[in-house]
Amino acid sequence: DIQMTQSPSSLSASVGDRVTIACRASQGISNSLAWYQQKPGKVPQVLIYAASTLQSGVPSRFSGSGSGTDFTLTISSLQPEDVGTYYCQRYDTAPPDFGGGTKVEIK
Amino acid sequence: DVLLVESGGGLVKPGGSLRLSCAASGFTFSTLAMSWVRQAPGKGLEWVSSISWSGDFKYYADSVKGRFTISRDNAKNSLYLLMNSLRAEDTAVYYCARSIRGVISYDDYWGQGTLVTVSS
Repeated sequence: DIQMTQSPSSLSASVGDRVTIACRASQGISNSLAWYQQKPGKVPQVLIYAASTLQSGVPSRFSGSGSGTDFTLTISSLQPEDVGTYYCQRYDTAPPDFGGGTKVEIK
Repeated sequence: DVLLVESGGGLVKPGGSLRLSCAASGFTFSTLAMSWVRQAPGKGLEWVSSISWSGDFKYYADSVKGRFTISRDNAKNSLYLLMNSLRAEDTAVYYCARSIRGVISYDDYWGQGTLVTVSS
């Protein structure tokens, strides 16, 4: 199976900072990658699909990039409500595995 | 509005069985694939199983293959997960999710989850 590796596993940043989270696939997955946000105690919500397409209703400070094996989720200006854990997920073939997650906190 | 409501979770002994249900509303259930994703306490997300809109195609994680069975009843707008031979490591919140781009897809709507605890 293709392995999905996220980095870092956690980060702490100040409000207004630019935050970048990386996701690497062990083999090429084209652009079949989604990003989810899970706020503390809440249900995961999709932010980005097809590597760079913003899900309807998601703030424009979130963006995604990449193709093949290397992908990035960027928060252009971190807000207090962005605290939570972020997951990438590949969906090129079964199993549509998730990365291990990146916990984002406010410094 | 899209709504997914899971039920059927609870405490079960190792080796026991449980059937989870997910009631869907607010969209044409019979045209979309559906999935189950779980999250063990304090851990990350783990895809469990997906089923095509017709029920003809089913996929399972290796960790549950042969023990769990996914099914659906399009007439009742319902998704199910029959879990047999449960183990302590199956303890998790189980989410029902709508797989918007086919049977292997990302999930655009999730239910609130139902907790399954496997313990003696």
